[in-house]
Amino acid sequence: KQEVTQIPAALSVPEGENLVLNCSFTDSAIYNLQWFRQDPGKGLTSLLLIQSSQREQTSGRLNASLDKSSGRSTLYIAASQPGDSATYLCAVIQGAQKLVFGQGTRLTINP
Amino acid sequence: SAVISQKPSRDICQRGTSLTIQCQVDSQVTMMFWYRQQPGQSLTLIATANQGSEATYESGFVIDKFPISRPNLTFSTLTVSNMSPEDSSIYLCSVRRGTNYGYTFGSGTRLTVV
Repeated sequence: KQEVTQIPAALSVPEGENLVLNCSFTDSAIYNLQWFRQDPGKGLTSLLLIQSSQREQTSGRLNASLDKSSGRSTLYIAASQPGDSATYLCAVIQGAQKLVFGQGTRLTINP
Repeated sequence: SAVISQKPSRDICQRGTSLTIQCQVDSQVTMMFWYRQQPGQSLTLIATANQGSEATYESGFVIDKFPISRPNLTFSTLTVSNMSPEDSSIYLCSVRRGTNYGYTFGSGTRLTVV
């Protein structure tokens, strides 16, 4: 059974810092991996999708990497801003189109 | 990516009653997915809804408690039946246009049962 783990569970950093969020998964037989952002009490906003054949994806200040063989993905956020404060979720996409989520990293950017 | 309109955004309901949540997608999709997010937890898949057939439920979720309708390729509803305080959660629908696309989520329904 696929298990997805995100470390750390919570992170607080001052504005302007670069930071890395980690995601690991136990079964490397995945199709894709997707990173989401969730604001309190809200739905999910898709940040980046990495196909299983890709190593990384970039969007603005965000860069996500994928290493299937080691079962790891990272989300790099450059020059963090208070508006980046949210919970970040990674999810792997497996057979039958099922998403398996990690528990999330709650990120706080301090002005 | 697809755009999903989910309603209601929040509700406070009495125990023993039922609530129906609606999701409307701006394009036709084969499958729609319903998730539950309990307080402080990550998302758990409730069921997958295909148009023209019964929904497929995940372990721990049953049709009598969470009946789902999928009358066409752009719309689905999830009903939370005979509610108890333990049903207080955020409920979300999700779609995916194809295997080369990511998942899109609705804005969520925040349900509180009192």
